Amino acid sequence: DGGITQSPKYLFRKEGQNVTLSCEQNLNHDAMYWYRQDPGQGLRLIYYSQIVNDFQKGDIAEGYSVSREKKESFPLTVTSAQKNPTAFYLCATPSGGGNTGELFFGEGSRLTVL
Amino acid sequence: EDKVVQSPLSLVVHEGDTVTLNCSYEVTNFRSLLWYKQEKKAPTFLFMLTSSGIEKKSGRLSSILDKKELFSILNITATQTGDSAVYLCAVEANSGYALNFGKGTSLLVTP
Repeated sequence: DGGITQSPKYLFRKEGQNVTLSCEQNLNHDAMYWYRQDPGQGLRLIYYSQIVNDFQKGDIAEGYSVSREKKESFPLTVTSAQKNPTAFYLCATPSGGGNTGELFFGEGSRLTVL
Repeated sequence: EDKVVQSPLSLVVHEGDTVTLNCSYEVTNFRSLLWYKQEKKAPTFLFMLTSSGIEKKSGRLSSILDKKELFSILNITATQTGDSAVYLCAVEANSGYALNFGKGTSLLVTP
């Protein structure tokens, strides 16, 4: 089945450690997005990529980094520079394969910093 | 700066009640407004509205967009406990690169 897979689902890290969240899609879509969600908050855009080997900062990119070396993969690294990394992270791609419009989300990765 | 404001932020109702969730927005070059339902993990798509006054309906859920007054409502009739979730509103601009989300409305339906 075509879809978008995030891993791990749950992750714990100590302060000062970098951690990488995986996002893989087998839909052959160009655009991919990373959003962050905090309790009682909506989704805020971290990074997005509209084509392989290219990506752009979203509204809250500080303390995060991404790469887009392959069309199907868009990993997100949460660096030690991110002051409040505990959150729910969602990866998404447009359902229709174009840009924006209806988004199809992965199941999310919940990161907790101890 | 684009804004999406949802109200109320939380709501508790009894099974069988009808609820109305609100979403107002300010966005340059509006393209579409979308509603999502989020239970525990991934938001799932409900509706996309692009034209004013058109009602989208799916079972007990319906939504309408007012482009003149810049708001949308999501109606749920005969609520069930399975409707308990966070409902997210998002707006897309023609010149935008991603959806702009509101904070969501947390709905709890009690038996």
